Amino acid sequence: GQSLEQPSEVTAVEGAIVQINCTYQTSGFYGLSWYQQHDGGAPTFLSYNALDGLEETGRFSSFLSRSDSYGYLLLQELQMKDSASYFCAVRRDSNYQLIWGAGTKLIIKP
Amino acid sequence: EAQVTQNPRYLITVTGKKLTVTCSQNMNHEYMSWYRQDPGLGLRQIYYSMNVEVTDKGDVPEGYKVSRKEKRNFPLILESPSPNQTSLYFCASSLSAVFHNSGANVLTFGAGSRLTVL
Repeated sequence: GQSLEQPSEVTAVEGAIVQINCTYQTSGFYGLSWYQQHDGGAPTFLSYNALDGLEETGRFSSFLSRSDSYGYLLLQELQMKDSASYFCAVRRDSNYQLIWGAGTKLIIKP
Repeated sequence: EAQVTQNPRYLITVTGKKLTVTCSQNMNHEYMSWYRQDPGLGLRQIYYSMNVEVTDKGDVPEGYKVSRKEKRNFPLILESPSPNQTSLYFCASSLSAVFHNSGANVLTFGAGSRLTVL
């Protein structure tokens, strides 16, 4: 089968750093995306990794290891507004077929 | 403002009563897609469209229909809704589905449509 595994919930303290992991098993792989979704809101794009390595965008970074079928999202200098669910998604073919993880709820404490 | 607009945002209906959820984008995007989101399951793709008059099934197409007669619109049709279609639905679009296009891998989502079928 095809699956993405990510923790269901992560708790961190304001100002800290947190890493959300994602491991995948899919029939094809073009790249790994990360989306943020606040309660009651729509998913919003954070990052996309097609090649191995670290991509940095402000406080957020995303990493991919294709050989390990693994990626992570790193959030630094956590702010209360970062409290949300974070989804990883694999693009598995050229037709933009995406498979999504179940999401990680990030809880930030003051 | 660049956006994806879905309507209705909330709908309660009864089993068997046909309904349509509209989706419109003003960004001249080629690619459009419908997802449903259920607790603990993430997002699952229902149908997608690579361009006008080109549509294809996603992972959970049963009970749904779509059409893409114009580039900006991609309605989702439930011909005979059933309670297991109670869900939160999202429409999304992307500049292109072509892999090497830099805009291909950024999906813009609508605000969502919460559907309850009794």
